[in-house]
Amino acid sequence: GENVEQHPSTLSVQEGDSAVIKCTYSDSASNYFPWYKQELGKRPQLIIDIRSNVGEKKDQRIAVTLNKTAKHFSLHITETQPEDSAVYFCAAPLGGSNYKLTFGKGTLLTVNP
Amino acid sequence: DTAVSQTPKYLVTQMGNDKSIKCEQNLGHDTMYWYKQDSKKFLKIMFSYNNKELIINETVPNRFSPKSPDKAHLNLHINSLELGDSAVYFCASSMGLRDSPLHFGNGTRLTVT
Repeated sequence: GENVEQHPSTLSVQEGDSAVIKCTYSDSASNYFPWYKQELGKRPQLIIDIRSNVGEKKDQRIAVTLNKTAKHFSLHITETQPEDSAVYFCAAPLGGSNYKLTFGKGTLLTVNP
Repeated sequence: DTAVSQTPKYLVTQMGNDKSIKCEQNLGHDTMYWYKQDSKKFLKIMFSYNNKELIINETVPNRFSPKSPDKAHLNLHINSLELGDSAVYFCASSMGLRDSPLHFGNGTRLTVT
């Protein structure tokens, strides 16, 4: 079936290290790939997104890369800080629908001081 | 000004009861959604409305009935609540384009006892 696979499910890093989270998607027609951050007890919030006409996008310490051929995209966080600790979700529109943004199962990132 | 607001924030009720959650957005978006986040943090789409019309119903039991009186409001009524309905329910909105990000409300934590 159509889905978004996300790995790893948990990730623990030392402050200052880099963190990478990877997602694969099944629908070759998908053209939009957002990443959301959800802190404990809060709502998911968009942190960065990429469209299929671009291979990489960067915003300060976070970046997203997209490989359309392989149907995968990754979130890179450099110089991690304790406040980066949260659950991160990737997503993609699946099934040819504008209205069905499907989420990966999330990655719990813990940044240890 | 909160862009997507939902009420109540917490809802504790007994099995068999009927309850409603309300959502309003002031972003001028055409599309609104209900997502369910279970205890494992999986974010799963339930419904999507575009300009008051139901677009997506993701095999949700018919005890769940969404209603959109206008494109700025999307309510969720749940009949005969069951233990398995306990979750956080997030309302969201978007412009409805294939590359539109979702804007989430703060969530309603429903606990069925």
